[in-house]
Amino acid sequence: SQQGEEDPQALSIQEGENATMNCSYKTSINNLQWYRQNSGRGLVHLILIRSNEREKHSGRLRVTLDTSKKSSSLLITASRAADTASYFCATEVPRGFKTIFGAGTRLFVKA
Amino acid sequence: DSGVTQTPKHLITATGQRVTLRCSPRSGDLSVYWYQQSLDQGLQFLIQYYNGEERAKGNILERFSAQQFPDLHSELNLSSLELGDSALYFCASSLGPPNTGELFFGEGSRLTVL
Repeated sequence: SQQGEEDPQALSIQEGENATMNCSYKTSINNLQWYRQNSGRGLVHLILIRSNEREKHSGRLRVTLDTSKKSSSLLITASRAADTASYFCATEVPRGFKTIFGAGTRLFVKA
Repeated sequence: DSGVTQTPKHLITATGQRVTLRCSPRSGDLSVYWYQQSLDQGLQFLIQYYNGEERAKGNILERFSAQQFPDLHSELNLSSLELGDSALYFCASSLGPPNTGELFFGEGSRLTVL
């Protein structure tokens, strides 16, 4: 079974709007990461937040982590058509030697 | 360009056949990960190697095997192929020791089993 589950599965917004994606996970983690995948391409790392951090920013990206609720959110502000992609959360578990990905959120930004 | 190279990019084969997918990690990375992505699905973790040793196994079928060589490149062998094995197979690498954060992904090998 997957460690992380993203919500919503798909999201369609207008250019300029903000996009929020959520991720829930099941076990304790070392860190949580967000990746982006353009259709059929390799995944690209966006941001990593450690288990002792609550919020992190990178450009138009804002990630929050709530370890008590085992959840994270990714906010993309002022979205652009080029942000159209699938977004995955990934969790690194302690001593698990593996990074587990969720099913992803498909984001479509209309120009 | 992530620095991770996967070959072949595309592969079409028949049921019952065997194929080998190859991955060259980013220079200096010691950890290699293999993932399977079926159509419109998330990534299923298959197996991880660190400096030549297997460190973690996921949902990898017995028909599949992998190894990491002394030069740190890795190969994923898929045998007795079935239609359901059609998928994108991704290799990723990280600096290591295992689980130190960001994974760098190759562009994947798209396997089609007919």
